[in-house]
Amino acid sequence: QSVLTQPPSVSGAPGQRVTISCTGSSSNIGAAYDVHWYQQLPGTAPKLLIFDNINRPSGVPDRFSASKSGTSASLAITGLQAEDEADYYCQSYDTSLSAYVFGSGTKVTVL
Amino acid sequence: EVQLVESGGGLVQSGGSLRLFCAVSGITVSSEFMSWVRQAPGKGPEWVSVIYSGGTTYYADSVKGRFSISRDNSKNTLYLQMNSLRAEDTAVYYCARQRGQYYYYHYMDVWGKGTTVTVSS
Repeated sequence: QSVLTQPPSVSGAPGQRVTISCTGSSSNIGAAYDVHWYQQLPGTAPKLLIFDNINRPSGVPDRFSASKSGTSASLAITGLQAEDEADYYCQSYDTSLSAYVFGSGTKVTVL
Repeated sequence: EVQLVESGGGLVQSGGSLRLFCAVSGITVSSEFMSWVRQAPGKGPEWVSVIYSGGTTYYADSVKGRFSISRDNSKNTLYLQMNSLRAEDTAVYYCARQRGQYYYYHYMDVWGKGTTVTVSS
């Protein structure tokens, strides 16, 4: 049972915009801890997609953007492409658990 | 280029032990915050442990008292000693570099390809 809740799946046609939510609580996202996002292509390790709530590492397309408000965060993918089909995870820190926590994960399907 | 290469995974019986290795290149392991993250089949990632550059270590409650993280500065290698293994420890284990301004803002910016641990009951 993840402490960060994400929708199991989202889908969209090529070129469309999809968003993925990440809902936490007052002991993690709501405690002002940063949210980070990872993309995991099938059979590969997670890859850092967004760090410190809104920042993209070098090489990540600007089609990926993120935001955070209150006890939630969201990741948006605009201009959806076939290669965006993957699992996406949010991550933060939880002060009650004294641990870094990951979301339950969202599978993005490109129709 | 930073590279992390895990090894040491395998099949072990419940109650057994295993030692994982992470060979690091491109960075100095003693200067970084290095962590182990695991992912059970069909599940999301789960943070397991971290060792700070100063040597302080932290563990997830699920492994505390059973797992031990360490490093060999001369070999630039990270280790995870896993004892009293349980079926629920079955997962792919990744080593990763942890970064961020303060520990509670940390994220994992470089990951290895992982090594698979299977615990049979």
